[in-house]
Amino acid sequence: KNEVEQSPQNLTAQEGEFITINCSYSVGISALHWLQQHPGGGIVSLFMLSSGKKKHGRLIATINIQEKHSSLHITASHPRDSAVYICAVRREPGNTGKLIFGQGTTLQVKP
Amino acid sequence: EADIYQTPRYLVIGTGKKITLECSQTMGHDKMYWYQQDPGMELHLIHYSYGVNSTEKGDLSSESTVSRIRTEHFPLTLESARPSHTSQYLCASMGGNTIYFGEGSWLTVV
Repeated sequence: KNEVEQSPQNLTAQEGEFITINCSYSVGISALHWLQQHPGGGIVSLFMLSSGKKKHGRLIATINIQEKHSSLHITASHPRDSAVYICAVRREPGNTGKLIFGQGTTLQVKP
Repeated sequence: EADIYQTPRYLVIGTGKKITLECSQTMGHDKMYWYQQDPGMELHLIHYSYGVNSTEKGDLSSESTVSRIRTEHFPLTLESARPSHTSQYLCASMGGNTIYFGEGSWLTVV
């Protein structure tokens, strides 16, 4: 079993829909990252969370440390949101920065 | 806008050739990483560095080697490429709590 599990693996939505991607992890962490990877490989950091909730534009990320679970929400989805969304955790202890990655969720938003 | 650059972006080489993938960042970050990613699969850490003259192997065994002679430069070398090395290689650096990725280098060994 992977230490970081994402669901769903694939997601197709219609433009405008509210989208949720889930991430569960089984190790102690110091932080959790949500990343976005577009076709061609480039990866962009969306959020870094250690507790609570963060919002940036139409994206919202939450984390529940006790339940070892995080969610990424996209409101009013748009075709340009189509990408692979990756959850990655920074394992405790220390601040090595080494990340453990989930397998990614491939999102397609249709117009 | 992230200031981390990888070259080449795409490379096709023959078996047995030596290749070096370049990675440079202008943000002054001490922590740098090389990840390997096969299509549709998750990223795996193959090398990391916490600063000049500091390099460690990652969780995924790799026949590649790295060096860190300057803070801004973290090249990855394959002494003798094989078809099993065909993959995407992503360089990253971390500053504060944010991780920055390069665009990736797609390597095909024929």
